[in-house]
Amino acid sequence: QQQVKQSPQSLIVQKGGISIINCAYENTAFDYFPWYQQFPGKGPALLIAIRPDVSEKKEGRFTISFNKSAKQFSLHIMDSQPGDSATYFCAADSYTGGFKTIFGAGTRLFVKA
Amino acid sequence: DTEVTQTPKHLVMGMTNKKSLKCEQHMGHRAMYWYKQKAKKPPELMFVYSYEKLSINESVPSRFSPECPNSSLLNLHLHALQPEDSALYLCASSQVTGFSGGSGYTFGSGTRLTVV
Repeated sequence: QQQVKQSPQSLIVQKGGISIINCAYENTAFDYFPWYQQFPGKGPALLIAIRPDVSEKKEGRFTISFNKSAKQFSLHIMDSQPGDSATYFCAADSYTGGFKTIFGAGTRLFVKA
Repeated sequence: DTEVTQTPKHLVMGMTNKKSLKCEQHMGHRAMYWYKQKAKKPPELMFVYSYEKLSINESVPSRFSPECPNSSLLNLHLHALQPEDSALYLCASSQVTGFSGGSGYTFGSGTRLTVV
């Protein structure tokens, strides 16, 4: 069964802290792992993505860590800001387009000022 | 232009009404998608168009009818909907055909649909 398990369901972090969201996938055929950020009333927006041949990717305050052997990946938000308060979805996807994108259930992040 | 534009932003319709949702992108993306999103849930795939042809229908009820008039436009025609169809309807596009194929999706802001 193709699933992406995302945790935690919700997260409260102090301003300036580190937010960590974890995802685990099952199908090793997936080879593209994006994270989407969604604000209320808006559609999801691609935040950062990684391929399994890379163990870490950093863009500004956002970092993806990828553990291919464990089939797990995580999003780290450094120096979390109130403006980061949103719902975050991880996803598993395929470069060949042969597999339907599987989204995690989502994590609602609230950053306290 | 790096956006997907959806209209209307909000729609309230009765169960006997016929309405249409519209989506437009000018990024030259060759794949376009309709997703449905319920509150506090991830997007759920409905339809995929590749090169203006319907390639995937995720067993969506026939009261939802997609249309792709050209490579920039995507419509979703609605008829005889049920209250449980109330949701955020998202249009998305991607550079390559099939699924996001390593380029990710560009989502519109969605149409908030309420069926009464």
